[in-house]
Amino acid sequence: GAGVSQSPSNKVTEKGKDVELRCDPISGHTALYWYRQRLGQGLEFLIYFQGNSAPDKSGLPSDRFSAERTGESVSTLTIQRTQQEDSAVYLCASSSRETQHFGDGTRLSIL
Amino acid sequence: AQSVTQPDIHITVSEGASLELRCNYSYGATPYLFWYVQSPGQGLQLLLKYFSGDTLVQGIKGFEAEFKRSQSSFNLRKPSVHWSDAAEYFCAVVQGNKLVFGAGTILRVKS
Repeated sequence: GAGVSQSPSNKVTEKGKDVELRCDPISGHTALYWYRQRLGQGLEFLIYFQGNSAPDKSGLPSDRFSAERTGESVSTLTIQRTQQEDSAVYLCASSSRETQHFGDGTRLSIL
Repeated sequence: AQSVTQPDIHITVSEGASLELRCNYSYGATPYLFWYVQSPGQGLQLLLKYFSGDTLVQGIKGFEAEFKRSQSSFNLRKPSVHWSDAAEYFCAVVQGNKLVFGAGTILRVKS
């Protein structure tokens, strides 16, 4: 497709389980971003990938959060030992210059 | 660090009425500014952006925004609102490798 694709669209899991979220960026976009959106709030930056450079992980809230990206393709965001406060929509964006294009997000619910 | 303030959490307007959503930012240099719209259950769609040049920028869906450096503002306007404009609107500014978002304004449209 032409846009940013995220999967799954919804994920419900039990507290303490690990989850993996996937993002397929727009083809040719070198930059990829992960954001978290808690209910009723704006977006919080989590991590940024640019080509083969070291990622900017300054927004990751704890060491339970990690992300990987292979080259300029797919990225996965992993949350280990999930907690109820991890419940949120996780949005991925990609860009080739300054404008970020967003996917529809993964809605994560921790029971 | 840059910040973005959207003073209005909720705004309700009648269909056909004009709309102005407020956005103020803090940034020393010329900012890169964006407005995004988010419909329920969906990701963010770019409405318009300002990087430089003409301070009045036109976007999609009949929206426009005006950059006013003296007021540190980038307010979003539409002359006549349609029921389909009901959504949440986010103002954002580029800070380094990421976007910094305001908390959002929820627009309700009365018929």
